Amino acid sequence: NAGVTQTPKFQVLKTGQSMTLQCAQDMNHNSMYWYRQDPGMGLRLIYYSASEGTTDKGEVPNGYNVSRLNKREFSLRLESAAPSQTSVYFCASSDFILQETQYFGPGTRLLVL
Amino acid sequence: QKEVEQDPGPLSVPEGAIVSLNCTYSNSAFQYFMWYRQYSRKGPELLMYTYSSGNKEDGRFTAQVDKSSKYISLFIRDSQPSDSATYLCAMGKGAQKLVFGQGTRLTINP
Repeated sequence: NAGVTQTPKFQVLKTGQSMTLQCAQDMNHNSMYWYRQDPGMGLRLIYYSASEGTTDKGEVPNGYNVSRLNKREFSLRLESAAPSQTSVYFCASSDFILQETQYFGPGTRLLVL
Repeated sequence: QKEVEQDPGPLSVPEGAIVSLNCTYSNSAFQYFMWYRQYSRKGPELLMYTYSSGNKEDGRFTAQVDKSSKYISLFIRDSQPSDSATYLCAMGKGAQKLVFGQGTRLTINP
């Protein structure tokens, strides 16, 4: 099992460009999450999907959109990137029953110039 | 005031020392308490999970929760260089939304 995978590993964007971060899990988990991690701020929840077909905003959703494509895949889209979105982005998933126990992917490092 | 406060460190100790990592929180509704370990340039991995007050031990690691003081701790005995990482506390009050501390960077010196 690969667990949670994320692509790309690293990306450089110019202000105003768009991109989609991809996440997939092979653990048959129902719930998936997108976080961003910034120095001194810890992990902050951007969006989450409790189950296939549902998405909800987290703590810092502005400037992002998400799509729960199917049970395995959950993508995060930046429509018009801003330097404030420079961060490390982590996808996570959890089993429906043990939602407090989340499994994280390796992260995507994004630099917006 | 942040819901969860964690000293960011960095913390540097010699190999074999006992390490104590701590978090305080303000929301008395939190029921689940976790510690994640994050190696450099990697994703966080779940290390310990506890529910409610008390202690939980797993090998060299002990997680302690004191709900009356809103304080949680992670103790590492006989620390090893491989324990060098950032440790994040996390807590929640139900489905979906965990609240994370800022993380403490720990270095164990051989």
